[in-house]
Amino acid sequence: GQNIDQPTEMTATEGAIVQINCTYQTSGFNGLFWYQQHAGEAPTFLSYNVLDGLEEKGRFSSFLSRSKGYSYLLLKELQMKDSASYLCAVRDPGGFKTIFGAGTRLFVKA
Amino acid sequence: NAGVTQTPKFRVLKTGQSMTLLCAQDMNHEYMYWYRQDPGMGLRLIHYSVGEGTTAKGEVPDGYNVSRLKKQNFLLGLESAAPSQTSVYFCASSSGQLNQPQHFGDGTRLSIL
Repeated sequence: GQNIDQPTEMTATEGAIVQINCTYQTSGFNGLFWYQQHAGEAPTFLSYNVLDGLEEKGRFSSFLSRSKGYSYLLLKELQMKDSASYLCAVRDPGGFKTIFGAGTRLFVKA
Repeated sequence: NAGVTQTPKFRVLKTGQSMTLLCAQDMNHEYMYWYRQDPGMGLRLIHYSVGEGTTAKGEVPDGYNVSRLKKQNFLLGLESAAPSQTSVYFCASSSGQLNQPQHFGDGTRLSIL
């Protein structure tokens, strides 16, 4: 089976940097996704990691360590519109399914 | 470019009623999924399909049935609705390639009284 853990809530200040952590325990691994979900809306894709290291996309970066079962999403130059839930998700060994964590609600304050 | 379209967007049912949630995608994706999302529990997979005519159970399949008669459509049925099925339901699709994400519909908010 798979288990994914991430903090329930985080608060950060506009303009700052925030790191959202995700740990996973799996019997296999085929990649890790981060999604953003604004309240009342659908999740949207942010990033994908399958190899160890950092992937950068503008203000957002995602890091993966497969040996530690650990990933983080780094958001720089926070904006009020970044207030949302951030979902960590791991593709299962068979490749058909993706298991989602419960999500981290990020509140950005002025 | 519609992407993934879910109908209806909102619905209120009485206990014991049945209904079908519709999902359509125009991206020629092989894989389609139905999730439910409840507060504090994240997205939980109900059923999924890896191609036309195929379906498989996910994490929480009880009380639901699905059909994938056409590649672009994935239907979720509730045979006898129960209050525990009150939730937000999301449909998603993907190409099936490992590095490709899922694309989600806008969700169906379902209340069972």
